[in-house]
Amino acid sequence: AQSVTQLGSHVSVSEGALVLLRCNYSSSVPPYLFWYVQYPNQGLQLLLKYTSAATLVKGINGFEAEFKKSETSFHLTKPSAHMSDAAEYFCAVSTTSGTYKYIFGTGTRLKVLA
Amino acid sequence: ETGVTQSPTHLIKTRGQQVTLRCSSQSGHNTVSWYQQALGQGPQFIFQYYREEENGRGNFPPRFSGLQFPNYSSELNVNALELDDSALYLCASSLDPRTEHNEQFFGPGTRLTVL
Repeated sequence: AQSVTQLGSHVSVSEGALVLLRCNYSSSVPPYLFWYVQYPNQGLQLLLKYTSAATLVKGINGFEAEFKKSETSFHLTKPSAHMSDAAEYFCAVSTTSGTYKYIFGTGTRLKVLA
Repeated sequence: ETGVTQSPTHLIKTRGQQVTLRCSSQSGHNTVSWYQQALGQGPQFIFQYYREEENGRGNFPPRFSGLQFPNYSSELNVNALELDDSALYLCASSLDPRTEHNEQFFGPGTRLTVL
């Protein structure tokens, strides 16, 4: 069975600093992984997805994530945080059998300090 | 191209009541999945509909039920509401449920409060 774990329910960074949000996955087969962002009182917006084409995935708003099989990780990074990046971020894995659904992590709330 | 829409935006009900939430899928999509997102949690899969048939269900009791219509829009019905049903309900549409990398597109959600 697939699962994801997000380390750190809250992360604070200064404006202009590196953003690193951690996600580790568990899967017996090559996973399909996603990062979503959720702004207050809104739905989920896809930032980027990994579907085995390339290990370094670039997404919207300057975010990228690197798939590391040896570490079972798919951490999200952004070189320079902006105030508008403050939001909740969710890592998700798509199940690979039966009903194809997403399994989400518990989320990381990013706070950007001026 | 119209995205996924949900109605209503907010809803307040009391314990024991019944509620119906609605979702219109993105143009061309034939699959709708519903998720429940409790406060401070990640979304949890409720069930999925593909071409008007239920195509899988998560760990939710039978009082959570759904429908999909010929135009692929969908309803989520919850009977005998409990306080713990208070959550954001998200609908997601996709092209084909038979592949694990098929992207799901999410609507803005319906915020349900049960008093």
